[in-house]
Amino acid sequence: AQSVTQLGSHVSVSEGALVLLRCNYSSSVPPYLFWYVQYPNQGLQLLLKYTTGATLVKGINGFEAEFKKSETSFHLTKPSAHMSDAAEYFCAVTGGIYNFNKFYFGSGTKLNVKP
Amino acid sequence: AAGVIQSPRHLIKEKRETATLKCYPIPRHDTVYWYQQGPGQDPQFLISFYEKMQSDKGSIPDRFSAQQFSDYHSELNMSSLELGDSALYFCASSLYGGTGELFFGEGSRLTVL
Repeated sequence: AQSVTQLGSHVSVSEGALVLLRCNYSSSVPPYLFWYVQYPNQGLQLLLKYTTGATLVKGINGFEAEFKKSETSFHLTKPSAHMSDAAEYFCAVTGGIYNFNKFYFGSGTKLNVKP
Repeated sequence: AAGVIQSPRHLIKEKRETATLKCYPIPRHDTVYWYQQGPGQDPQFLISFYEKMQSDKGSIPDRFSAQQFSDYHSELNMSSLELGDSALYFCASSLYGGTGELFFGEGSRLTVL
């Protein structure tokens, strides 16, 4: 079975500082991994995804994430935080090609960006 | 590009009433998911449909039912509404065997008074 753990329900960084949001997964099969962002009172928007191929994936708004199979991690990073990055971020995993239909979300990390 | 459309965007109901939420997936998407997000909570998976058949079931109360129609739109029916049903309800769609991600609608906010 698949599951996702996001370390830290709240992360606070200063504007211009590095953003690091942690995500670890468990999966018995090669997973597909995703990061979504949710702004207040809005739907979830895909930031980036890993399916196959290059393990460092780049997404929108300057975010990127690296799939590390040995560490079962898919941490989200951004070199320089912007005030507009303040939102909640969700990591998600599916069963990859074996189980598209099952989608598992982490509990979310709220990012606060201080001026 | 066309996105997932949910209606209504806002709904106010009294306790014990019934509500119906509608979801129109992205054209050609064959899978629909419903999620419930309470205030300050994470999205909780309710139910999903693939090709008009229920494919997975999560924490959906027995008072709720859902279906996917021949045109792939889906409806979530909620009866005997309780105060605790007040939440943002998201629909998402995907294409089975596609790139894997879910595409979310903007949500329907249900308030039960």
